[in-house]
Amino acid sequence: KAGVTQTPRYLIKTRGQQVTLSCSPISGHRSVSWYQQTPGQGLQFLFEYFSETQRNKGNFPGRFSGRQFSNSRSEMNVSTLELGDSALYLCASSLTGVLIIDSGANVLTFGAGSRLTVL
Amino acid sequence: GNSVTQMEGPVTLSEEAFLTINCTYTATGYPSLFWYVQYPGEGLQLLLKATKADDKGSNKGFEATYRKETTSFHLEKGSVQVSDSAVYFCALSATGTASKLTFGTGTRLQVTL
Repeated sequence: KAGVTQTPRYLIKTRGQQVTLSCSPISGHRSVSWYQQTPGQGLQFLFEYFSETQRNKGNFPGRFSGRQFSNSRSEMNVSTLELGDSALYLCASSLTGVLIIDSGANVLTFGAGSRLTVL
Repeated sequence: GNSVTQMEGPVTLSEEAFLTINCTYTATGYPSLFWYVQYPGEGLQLLLKATKADDKGSNKGFEATYRKETTSFHLEKGSVQVSDSAVYFCALSATGTASKLTFGTGTRLQVTL
């Protein structure tokens, strides 16, 4: 069973450009979440998509956006890049995004990440 | 809001030593608790979880018990190996939510021979 696949793995952009990152969830998973990991702020939740709709959103500016397609694949976009956007962007998927308390099923599975460097 | 506090690293241990990484949390309701591990150059892997008070999560020799009275979820392993060297993250999710995790800052573990 293939895991969560993120592309590209590494990319370099300059300030002011925009970037699009892609995430293919585990087959059958309909919830996709995005996280930003930086040395200074740690791991922070960006947003979650379920059935092509944004269901949850973290505290990031509007330059950060995303979408989900009918096959559950997701993309996130960062416009007008700033130096502080340099980070590892992690995608995670789960069946529905709702934790089943009794069994603990439906936890997140993370991809290897896309490392963005902004110069 | 929700928050997770982990002990500062790095933690350096000799192989076969006992490991404890402290984690405490602040949350409303009944959160679920997780430990994730990140090896160099990789994403996060779920190590163990606990979804109710007094639950003990365990995996690969690691254990953690959900203590609601002390709002803690400390990670322990009786005998660490060099291959356990990684960064460990404690995390919580609000009741019923799997997708929105609140993470601690991470604790780097270095195990030497």
